Amino acid sequence: DIVMTQTPLSLSVTPGQPASISCKSSQSLLHSDGKTYLFWYLQKPGQSPQLLIYEVSSRFSGVPDRFSGIGSGTDFTLKISRVEAEDVGVYYCMQGIHLPSTFGGGTKVEIK
Amino acid sequence: EVQLVQSGAEVKKPGESLRISCKGSGYSFSSYWITWVRQMPGKGLEWMGRIDPSDSYINYSPSFQGHVTISADKSISTAYVQWSSLKASDTAMYYCARAFGSRYGMDVWGQGTTVTVSS
Repeated sequence: DIVMTQTPLSLSVTPGQPASISCKSSQSLLHSDGKTYLFWYLQKPGQSPQLLIYEVSSRFSGVPDRFSGIGSGTDFTLKISRVEAEDVGVYYCMQGIHLPSTFGGGTKVEIK
Repeated sequence: EVQLVQSGAEVKKPGESLRISCKGSGYSFSSYWITWVRQMPGKGLEWMGRIDPSDSYINYSPSFQGHVTISADKSISTAYVQWSSLKASDTAMYYCARAFGSRYGMDVWGQGTTVTVSS
């Protein structure tokens, strides 16, 4: 299985400040079709996970543009340009290139 | 609106059987794979398996193969996970999610079903 490693484990951010989460995969997530299947999800407290970013950098419908994703191959980053109170929760990266899909361990974001 | 609505919370004893469900609406249920994900208390997300509702072809994670059975009934737009003999270690939240065409990525998630197994 592909191992997904996220850092940091937790993040405490002042509202309006940026935040960054790293995700590294044990194998390249670049498919022969030219796409890279790395996804970011946010699980807000008491809720189901929700899709933020797909294929490294594409924002899902309705996701604010303060969320962005970058990266390639095995190294990826989720950036929040200005953290808001509603952004608290646990962020997960997931690889969707090989089955079984695997998730990172999660990064808990809280507001200072 | 695309929705996945899951069955309600369950409390079972070890050794009992159980089937939980996930009903899709607002889209063509047969056209999108359904994935199941486990979240044990206080832990992260684990991919269990997925089913193509159009023909019930299934992929299981090796970690779950033999422990659960995934199925679907496209006539009622519903997918299922079932256990024949529950263990305390099956206590978890279980989510279904729709695979949306970006290979194995999922877009819409159900609200989750809590399964508690305790004597």
